[in-house]
Order: sequence, then structure tokens, then C-alpha cells
Amino acid sequence: KAGVTQTPRYLIKTRGQQVTLSCSPISGHRSVSWYQQTPGQGLQFLFEYFSETQRNKGNFPGRFSGRQFSNSRSEMNVSTLELGDSALYLCASSLNTRAPGELFFGEGSRLTVL
Amino acid sequence: AQTVTQSQPEMSVQEAETVTLSCTYDTSESDYYLFWYKQPPSRQMILVIRQEAYKQQNATENRFSVNFQKAAKSFSLKISDSQLGDAAMYFCAYCDTGNQFYFGTGTSLTVIP
Repeated sequence: KAGVTQTPRYLIKTRGQQVTLSCSPISGHRSVSWYQQTPGQGLQFLFEYFSETQRNKGNFPGRFSGRQFSNSRSEMNVSTLELGDSALYLCASSLNTRAPGELFFGEGSRLTVL
Repeated sequence: AQTVTQSQPEMSVQEAETVTLSCTYDTSESDYYLFWYKQPPSRQMILVIRQEAYKQQNATENRFSVNFQKAAKSFSLKISDSQLGDAAMYFCAYCDTGNQFYFGTGTSLTVIP
């Protein structure tokens, strides 16, 4: 079974630009969540999607948005990039049974904002 | 929002020895789930161990075990017989019944040969 796939793996943008990151979950997984990882801050929760609906949202500004498609693939978008947005963005999928289960992570998309 | 605290940014252990990583969390809920995840250098994060709050028995997975103290809101990870492959960043995570995860800031574990 293929794992969680994130694209692109690396990207460099300049301040003010926007970026779109993609995540393909494990087949059969309907829950996709996104995290921002920075040194010293750990993983900060961005949002979670389940069956194309945003179910949970973290404390990030509106510049951060996401969506999920009918095949469970998800994208996140960051508009008007700032230097502080430089981070590793991780996507995770899960089966989301009744009890919270294991998150399966992708390798991440490393964003550098210059 | 729930908070997860890992007070040890870095830890080191001699190969074959035992090390304990600390984690505390803050919640007013009685039903929740706790996890330890491992992120090896430049590799994907993977699950190490999971604990349901309603279970009093501490979870164990081979060389990995937890000490879950619900009243103290403490969830430490013990790694026995440490191996070089255990070197990684370890994250403690809390998950509520709404499937929202909260992660700590991580502990970087070095294994000394």
C-alpha cells in the first residue's frame, strides 16, 4: 500500500507570493490533517479535513487555507507569504474510526520564503 | 486548547542503556488518547506507542513502554536497550475525542555508541 505522498518536497518562494502544497493520503483514509513544523515549536496544527469538510482548524491566519477533494486528496494554500512561513509542512492521513487512530505522515514539503 | 509540554529539548543515552523521555499535558477532559511519535533525521514521522486514557494499564511495544499517570497528567516514554536506530526526534501528542491532535515541541534523542 502506498504511503502518504506530498508534493513538492522542496520549494523556494519570495515574500508576497502564494504557494499550494498537495497531499495524497493512503488509500481508504478519509481524514487528512496538516501541520507546520518549525525548530523549537514542534508541530502546529493547521486544519483537518474529513470527507471534503473542514472538521478542525488551528490558530493560523486566514492566509492559510485548504481543501479536500472527493478522492480524499488535499491541498493547502498559503497566500501573501511571509518570512515566518518558512517551515516543513506535514500532511497526515488516518482511517478515522470511532476512536482516534494512528496518523500516517508524509515526508513533508519544505518551504523556504526569501 | 490543550497543551503538551516536553521539557527536555535534548537527551542522550549510551547504546544498550535505558532512557526516559518526559511529557506532561493539560486537559479538562477525561477521555482522550496519547501518543509518542518518532521522527528520524530526514525521514517520515512514525508511531511509536499509543495509550487510551481510560486504560489504566501502561502500553508496551517491545523495547518501548510508557508510564501513564492520569491524575498527574504525565505520559513518559521509556526506551530500553537503546539502539543506534533509536536516534530521532520524539514527539508526545494528545488527541481529543474530536480527532484533533496537539503535539509537544519534541525531544531530540542521541544514542552514543
